[in-house]
Amino acid sequence: DAGVTQSPTHLIKTRGQQVTLRCSPKSGHDTVSWYQQALGQGPQFIFQYYEEEERQRGNFPDRFSGHQFPNYSSELNVNALLLGDSALYLCASSLELAGLTQYFGPGTRLTVL
Amino acid sequence: AQSVAQPEDQVNVAEGNPLTVKCTYSVSGNPYLFWYVQYPNRGLQFLLKYITGDNLVKGSYGFEAEFNKSQTSFHLKKPSALVSDSALYFCAVRDIGTGRRALTFGSGTRLQVQP
Repeated sequence: DAGVTQSPTHLIKTRGQQVTLRCSPKSGHDTVSWYQQALGQGPQFIFQYYEEEERQRGNFPDRFSGHQFPNYSSELNVNALLLGDSALYLCASSLELAGLTQYFGPGTRLTVL
Repeated sequence: AQSVAQPEDQVNVAEGNPLTVKCTYSVSGNPYLFWYVQYPNRGLQFLLKYITGDNLVKGSYGFEAEFNKSQTSFHLKKPSALVSDSALYFCAVRDIGTGRRALTFGSGTRLQVQP
C-alpha cells in the first residue's frame, strides 16, 4: 500500500522565481492538505483540497496557490518566492468520510537564495 | 481559535525508563487530538489519536496518551523508552466544533533517549 509521495525531494530557487511541488495521496484517500514547516517550528496549515476545490485556507498570502486533479493528486504553487519561503513543505492526505487522521508524505525541502 | 502548547523543547530519558512528553491544548469546541513523530529529514508519522471514548489511547510502537479534559492535556507516554524513540514529537489538535479541517501543531519536543 503506497503511502503519500511528494516530489521533488529538494529544490533550490532564487528570490522572485516560481515553484511547483507535487503530491500523490495515500491509496484510497481523496483529500489533500498542505503544510509549511519552517526550521525549528511545527507545521503550519496552508490549505486543503477536496473534490478539486480549495476548501479551507490558512493564513498564507495569495502567492500560495494549489490545484487538485481528478485522480486526487495535488500541486502547490508559490509565486514571487521570498527568502522566508524556505521551509519543508508537507503534504497530508485523508479520506473525507473517515477523514480524521491525516497521513503525511516525506516533504519537499525548498531553499530560496 | 485552536492552539497547542508543548512546554518542553527537549526531554531527556535513559533507555528503559518511562517517558512523558507534555501537551496542552485550547479549543472552543470539542478537540480531536493527535501525536506525530518526525525523524531527521523525514515527514511526520502518525502515532495515535483521541476522538472520543476511553481517555487512555494506545498507539504505535508502544506509545499511549492520556486525554484529560479538565486539565486540557494530552500527554504522550511510554513505559520503557528505547534509543530508537529519539526523535521530534508533535502534538496537534483539530477543533471539530468550528468546522475547521486544519490541524494546529505545537512547536515540537525533542526526545533524547540515552543508552
